[in-house]
Amino acid sequence: IAGITQAPTSQILAAGRRMTLRCTQDMRHNAMYWYRQDLGLGLRLIHYSNTAGTTGKGEVPDGYSVSRANTDDFPLTLASAVPSQTSVYFCASSDEASSYNEQFFGPGTRLTVL
Amino acid sequence: GQNIDQPTEMTATEGAIVQINCTYQTSGFNGLFWYQQHAGEAPTFLSYNVLDGLEEKGRFSSFLSRSKGYSYLLLKELQMKDSASYLCAVRDGDYKLSFGAGTTVTVRA
Repeated sequence: IAGITQAPTSQILAAGRRMTLRCTQDMRHNAMYWYRQDLGLGLRLIHYSNTAGTTGKGEVPDGYSVSRANTDDFPLTLASAVPSQTSVYFCASSDEASSYNEQFFGPGTRLTVL
Repeated sequence: GQNIDQPTEMTATEGAIVQINCTYQTSGFNGLFWYQQHAGEAPTFLSYNVLDGLEEKGRFSSFLSRSKGYSYLLLKELQMKDSASYLCAVRDGDYKLSFGAGTTVTVRA
Protein backbone atom coordinates (compact mmCIF):
# COMPACT_ATOMS: atom_id res chain seq x y z
CA ILE A 1 0.00 0.00 0.00
CA ALA A 2 1.74 3.18 -1.18
CA GLY A 3 -0.69 5.82 0.11
CA ILE A 4 0.62 9.09 -1.26
CA THR A 5 3.80 9.39 -3.29
CA GLN A 6 5.61 12.54 -4.31
CA ALA A 7 8.37 13.10 -6.84
CA PRO A 8 11.05 14.21 -6.86
CA THR A 9 12.27 13.77 -3.28
CA SER A 10 14.45 16.83 -3.65
CA GLN A 11 15.43 19.24 -6.40
CA ILE A 12 17.75 22.17 -6.92
CA LEU A 13 16.41 24.54 -9.53
CA ALA A 14 17.70 27.67 -11.21
CA ALA A 15 15.52 30.76 -10.88
CA GLY A 16 13.26 31.27 -13.88
CA ARG A 17 12.94 27.59 -14.67
CA ARG A 18 9.63 25.77 -14.84
CA MET A 19 9.11 22.86 -12.46
CA THR A 20 6.31 20.37 -11.82
CA LEU A 21 6.05 18.53 -8.53
CA ARG A 22 4.15 15.27 -8.84
CA CYS A 23 1.70 13.78 -6.36
CA THR A 24 -0.17 10.50 -6.70
CA GLN A 25 -2.47 8.76 -4.23
CA ASP A 26 -3.93 5.27 -4.44
CA MET A 27 -6.55 5.62 -1.71
CA ARG A 28 -9.28 6.97 -4.04
CA HIS A 29 -9.60 10.05 -1.84
CA ASN A 30 -11.77 12.78 -3.32
CA ALA A 31 -9.88 15.78 -1.94
CA MET A 32 -6.22 16.67 -2.44
CA TYR A 33 -4.05 19.54 -1.21
CA TRP A 34 -0.67 21.17 -1.68
CA TYR A 35 1.13 22.83 1.23
CA ARG A 36 4.49 24.47 1.68
CA GLN A 37 6.30 24.29 4.99
CA ASP A 38 8.78 26.96 5.99
CA LEU A 39 10.64 27.28 9.28
CA GLY A 40 8.64 29.25 11.80
CA LEU A 41 5.59 29.52 9.57
CA GLY A 42 4.14 26.05 9.62
CA LEU A 43 2.20 24.48 6.79
CA ARG A 44 0.45 26.88 4.44
CA LEU A 45 -2.12 25.82 1.86
CA ILE A 46 -1.22 26.63 -1.74
CA HIS A 47 -4.01 25.01 -3.76
CA TYR A 48 -6.60 22.34 -3.21
CA SER A 49 -9.03 20.16 -5.13
CA ASN A 50 -12.26 18.88 -3.62
CA THR A 51 -12.84 16.44 -6.47
CA ALA A 52 -11.45 15.56 -9.89
CA GLY A 53 -11.98 18.41 -12.34
CA THR A 54 -12.12 21.17 -9.72
CA THR A 55 -9.40 23.23 -8.03
CA GLY A 56 -9.27 26.16 -5.64
CA LYS A 57 -6.79 28.67 -4.27
CA GLY A 58 -5.42 28.44 -0.77
CA GLU A 59 -3.58 30.94 1.38
CA VAL A 60 -0.46 31.35 -0.80
CA PRO A 61 -1.35 30.51 -4.44
CA ASP A 62 0.70 33.13 -6.31
CA GLY A 63 3.34 31.64 -8.61
CA TYR A 64 1.78 28.17 -8.51
CA SER A 65 -0.79 26.32 -10.58
CA VAL A 66 -2.45 22.92 -10.26
CA SER A 67 -4.64 20.58 -12.26
CA ARG A 68 -6.79 17.60 -11.31
CA ALA A 69 -7.49 15.56 -14.41
CA ASN A 70 -8.30 12.39 -12.43
CA THR A 71 -8.78 11.21 -8.84
CA ASP A 72 -5.25 9.97 -8.27
CA ASP A 73 -2.96 12.74 -9.55
CA PHE A 74 -2.53 16.34 -8.43
CA PRO A 75 0.59 18.00 -9.92
CA LEU A 76 1.84 21.39 -8.75
CA THR A 77 3.59 23.60 -11.29
CA LEU A 78 5.91 26.53 -10.70
CA ALA A 79 5.81 28.42 -13.99
CA SER A 80 8.93 30.50 -13.33
CA ALA A 81 10.63 29.61 -10.05
CA VAL A 82 11.91 32.31 -7.69
CA PRO A 83 14.18 31.92 -4.63
CA SER A 84 11.26 32.64 -2.25
CA GLN A 85 9.71 29.37 -3.43
CA THR A 86 12.51 27.46 -1.72
CA SER A 87 10.60 25.27 0.71
CA VAL A 88 9.44 21.76 1.56
CA TYR A 89 6.27 20.91 -0.34
CA PHE A 90 3.75 18.41 0.99
CA CYS A 91 0.86 16.89 -0.88
CA ALA A 92 -2.08 15.57 1.14
CA SER A 93 -5.40 13.88 0.55
CA SER A 94 -8.59 13.26 2.49
CA ASP A 95 -11.83 11.38 2.13
CA GLU A 96 -15.10 12.75 3.51
CA ALA A 97 -16.20 9.15 4.06
CA SER A 98 -13.52 8.61 6.73
CA SER A 99 -14.24 9.04 10.44
CA TYR A 100 -12.66 12.45 10.85
CA ASN A 101 -11.94 13.44 7.25
CA GLU A 102 -8.34 13.75 8.36
CA GLN A 103 -5.64 14.56 5.86
CA PHE A 104 -2.91 12.08 4.95
CA PHE A 105 0.40 13.52 3.87
CA GLY A 106 2.97 12.45 1.32
CA PRO A 107 6.70 12.31 2.17
CA GLY A 108 7.40 15.79 0.79
CA THR A 109 9.61 17.39 -1.85
CA ARG A 110 12.48 19.59 -0.76
CA LEU A 111 12.90 22.33 -3.38
CA THR A 112 15.77 24.80 -3.53
CA VAL A 113 15.60 27.67 -6.01
CA LEU A 114 18.90 29.42 -6.65
CA GLY B 1 -8.86 33.29 8.16
CA GLN B 2 -7.40 31.63 11.21
CA ASN B 3 -4.87 32.72 13.81
CA ILE B 4 -3.35 29.75 15.59
CA ASP B 5 -0.80 30.06 18.39
CA GLN B 6 1.27 27.38 20.08
CA PRO B 7 4.61 27.47 21.91
CA THR B 8 7.72 27.10 19.80
CA GLU B 9 9.62 24.63 21.96
CA MET B 10 9.20 22.44 25.02
CA THR B 11 11.61 20.11 26.80
CA ALA B 12 10.72 17.28 29.15
CA THR B 13 12.26 14.21 30.74
CA GLU B 14 11.60 10.64 29.70
CA GLY B 15 8.61 9.25 31.61
CA ALA B 16 7.20 12.69 32.38
CA ILE B 17 4.06 14.45 31.11
CA VAL B 18 4.00 17.41 28.74
CA GLN B 19 1.04 19.59 27.81
CA ILE B 20 1.10 21.54 24.54
CA ASN B 21 -1.39 24.40 24.40
CA CYS B 22 -2.99 25.79 21.28
CA THR B 23 -5.19 28.88 21.02
CA TYR B 24 -7.06 29.87 17.91
CA GLN B 25 -9.28 32.56 16.44
CA THR B 26 -11.48 31.32 13.66
CA SER B 27 -13.98 32.55 11.10
CA GLY B 28 -15.64 29.14 11.16
CA PHE B 29 -14.97 25.91 13.03
CA ASN B 30 -15.28 22.31 11.94
CA GLY B 31 -12.87 20.58 14.24
CA LEU B 32 -9.33 20.72 15.59
CA PHE B 33 -6.57 18.30 14.71
CA TRP B 34 -3.21 17.45 16.22
CA TYR B 35 -0.48 16.06 13.99
CA GLN B 36 2.96 14.70 14.87
CA GLN B 37 5.91 15.40 12.61
CA HIS B 38 9.34 13.86 13.10
CA ALA B 39 12.26 15.75 11.60
CA GLY B 40 12.47 15.26 7.84
CA GLU B 41 9.20 13.34 7.69
CA ALA B 42 5.57 13.95 6.83
CA PRO B 43 2.99 14.97 9.44
CA THR B 44 0.91 12.08 10.75
CA PHE B 45 -2.55 12.33 12.29
CA LEU B 46 -2.76 12.06 16.09
CA SER B 47 -6.14 13.27 17.28
CA TYR B 48 -9.35 15.09 16.42
CA ASN B 49 -11.77 17.11 18.55
CA VAL B 50 -14.96 18.73 17.37
CA LEU B 51 -16.95 18.78 20.64
CA ASP B 52 -15.82 20.20 23.97
CA GLY B 53 -14.02 17.80 26.24
CA LEU B 54 -11.22 15.31 26.40
CA GLU B 55 -10.41 12.62 23.85
CA GLU B 56 -8.03 9.93 25.08
CA LYS B 57 -6.00 7.70 22.83
CA GLY B 58 -3.41 5.65 24.72
CA ARG B 59 -0.61 7.89 25.98
CA PHE B 60 -1.98 10.87 24.07
CA SER B 61 -5.03 12.95 25.02
CA SER B 62 -6.47 16.05 23.42
CA PHE B 63 -8.82 18.61 24.95
CA LEU B 64 -11.02 21.24 23.32
CA SER B 65 -12.92 24.26 24.59
CA ARG B 66 -14.70 25.93 21.68
CA SER B 67 -15.93 28.88 23.74
CA LYS B 68 -12.36 29.71 24.76
CA GLY B 69 -10.76 28.90 21.40
CA TYR B 70 -8.39 26.59 23.23
CA SER B 71 -7.02 23.08 22.91
CA TYR B 72 -4.20 21.12 24.44
CA LEU B 73 -2.38 17.91 23.61
CA LEU B 74 -1.23 15.88 26.60
CA LEU B 75 1.61 13.42 26.16
CA LYS B 76 2.02 11.01 29.06
CA GLU B 77 4.84 8.59 29.94
CA LEU B 78 7.12 10.34 27.52
CA GLN B 79 9.45 8.22 25.42
CA MET B 80 12.48 9.25 23.43
CA LYS B 81 10.58 8.54 20.22
CA ASP B 82 8.09 11.26 21.17
CA SER B 83 10.72 13.88 20.32
CA ALA B 84 9.04 15.60 17.35
CA SER B 85 7.08 18.64 16.29
CA TYR B 86 3.40 18.74 17.18
CA LEU B 87 1.13 20.70 14.90
CA CYS B 88 -2.23 22.16 15.91
CA ALA B 89 -4.61 22.60 12.96
CA VAL B 90 -8.10 24.09 12.78
CA ARG B 91 -10.61 23.16 10.09
CA ASP B 92 -12.71 26.11 9.01
CA GLY B 93 -16.21 26.42 7.61
CA ASP B 94 -14.95 25.54 4.12
CA TYR B 95 -13.28 22.40 5.47
CA LYS B 96 -9.79 23.79 4.90
CA LEU B 97 -7.04 23.26 7.49
CA SER B 98 -4.98 26.10 8.94
CA PHE B 99 -1.89 25.05 10.86
CA GLY B 100 -0.01 26.56 13.73
CA ALA B 101 3.76 26.86 13.38
CA GLY B 102 4.26 23.75 15.50
CA THR B 103 5.78 22.96 18.89
CA THR B 104 9.08 21.11 18.95
CA VAL B 105 9.20 18.72 21.91
CA THR B 106 12.57 17.40 23.02
CA VAL B 107 12.58 14.41 25.37
CA ARG B 108 15.70 14.04 27.50
CA ALA B 109 16.88 10.84 29.15
